[in-house]
Amino acid sequence: QSALTQPASVSGSPGQSITISCTGTSNDVGSHNFVSWYQQHPGKVPQLMIYEGTKRPSGVSNRFSASKSGNTASLTISGLQAEDEADYYCYSCATNYTFVFGGGTKLTVL
Amino acid sequence: QVQLQESGPGLVKPSQTLSLTCTVSGDSISGGFYYWSWIRQPAGKGLEWIGRIHTSGTTIYNPSLESRVTISLDTPKNHFSLMLRSVTAADTAVYYCARDSLWGELDYWGQGTLATVSS
Repeated sequence: QSALTQPASVSGSPGQSITISCTGTSNDVGSHNFVSWYQQHPGKVPQLMIYEGTKRPSGVSNRFSASKSGNTASLTISGLQAEDEADYYCYSCATNYTFVFGGGTKLTVL
Repeated sequence: QVQLQESGPGLVKPSQTLSLTCTVSGDSISGGFYYWSWIRQPAGKGLEWIGRIHTSGTTIYNPSLESRVTISLDTPKNHFSLMLRSVTAADTAVYYCARDSLWGELDYWGQGTLATVSS
């Protein structure tokens, strides 16, 4: 079971938009619409930001959105703010109802 | 408010068994709707899914750990547990428990507990 592929790092300036990709295969990301995304600040617990592919939990800013095309899911953060600087992980169901995380992406707000 | 709290020894010797418990409050692990999961994170590295258990007792494990892992429920105590056998230094990590849904939605997490494998 291999981790889903995410860029190691992305960066953007305040106010800009960035997109983080999460690439898997037809056996995981490509087989359903239920990828979820997590934000983790240094030393903190991961927090759910997106579930069921595109839905935001209560309390999560609408600056966070997500989509999927084929075997790649994407998280977009618009209107970047300093507080968005964190690590981001995707999470997907895979073969035989196992689950797998992406390798993680470090977002730097310049 | 749902809360999860991991507990267990912080230090385990190589080749021994790591045992952790996750105590749940604000929800019943026997409710039937959710799954209860374990995730770990070595220092400076990414998240790794270990496995999960449903109220029914059904378990699913990461294939890379399956031969060494057991997750179990204790419904009277409203907690679930992780056992990882034959540990090595590579198993040193922060271990998290979390509530999960059928299709993967880790909505509540414990604070995490550091387990160190060392003699």
